[in-house]
Amino acid sequence: GAVVSQHPSWVICKSGTSVKIECRSLDFQATTMFWYRQFPKQSLMLMATSNEGSKATYEQGVEKDKFLINHASLTLSTLTVTSAHPEDSSFYICSARASPALYGYTFGSGTRLTVV
Amino acid sequence: GEDVEQSLFLSVREGDSSVINCTYTDSSSTYLYWYKQEPGAGLQLLTYIFSNMDMKQDQRLTVLLNKKDKHLSLRIADTQTGDSAIYFCALRGTGNTGKLIFGQGTTLQVKP
Repeated sequence: GAVVSQHPSWVICKSGTSVKIECRSLDFQATTMFWYRQFPKQSLMLMATSNEGSKATYEQGVEKDKFLINHASLTLSTLTVTSAHPEDSSFYICSARASPALYGYTFGSGTRLTVV
Repeated sequence: GEDVEQSLFLSVREGDSSVINCTYTDSSSTYLYWYKQEPGAGLQLLTYIFSNMDMKQDQRLTVLLNKKDKHLSLRIADTQTGDSAIYFCALRGTGNTGKLIFGQGTTLQVKP
């Protein structure tokens, strides 16, 4: 149980375009989802926390207008990278937490974004 | 804020035991986790421990928690080449968001 599906696995886009990444909890309801960014050989950097039906809470230094997060249902959260630039190229990972969160957080398989 | 530290690299021979260490600063964390990340993949929950426990064993994995020293360790018995990966310790932060605070990750290299 507790499977999180993240799509796409990888995407290449042109500078200036927008890219949407989806994160779905397949067999549980996720009241809270987290979006992380990971640079090569580094740890996960939390970008934002989204709760179903409310606005996301962004970490300091993360541009909310650039990284749009929508958590419209208990099983789906999306991250849209708007007007992407090469410096946005990274590995993005989502994580979902059911309530109550006794057994940790389930992570998606990640999305490798390359902006050319 | 919370700070979680891990050594960056560990190399062992196949069949040996591996011990990955983690230290943290916030003693109020109630859940402590170990995750495994293989190249290009997401994070896989290996095991977790509650803060009121000292030790937890799950097959080849043993987690030790020393709350006094704020030290968490993961021991992998009979390490296999398939155990080669990055291992992250993570603590559940205080507050309603319950966000995880990650260490830098320890790269485990298992030599045949």
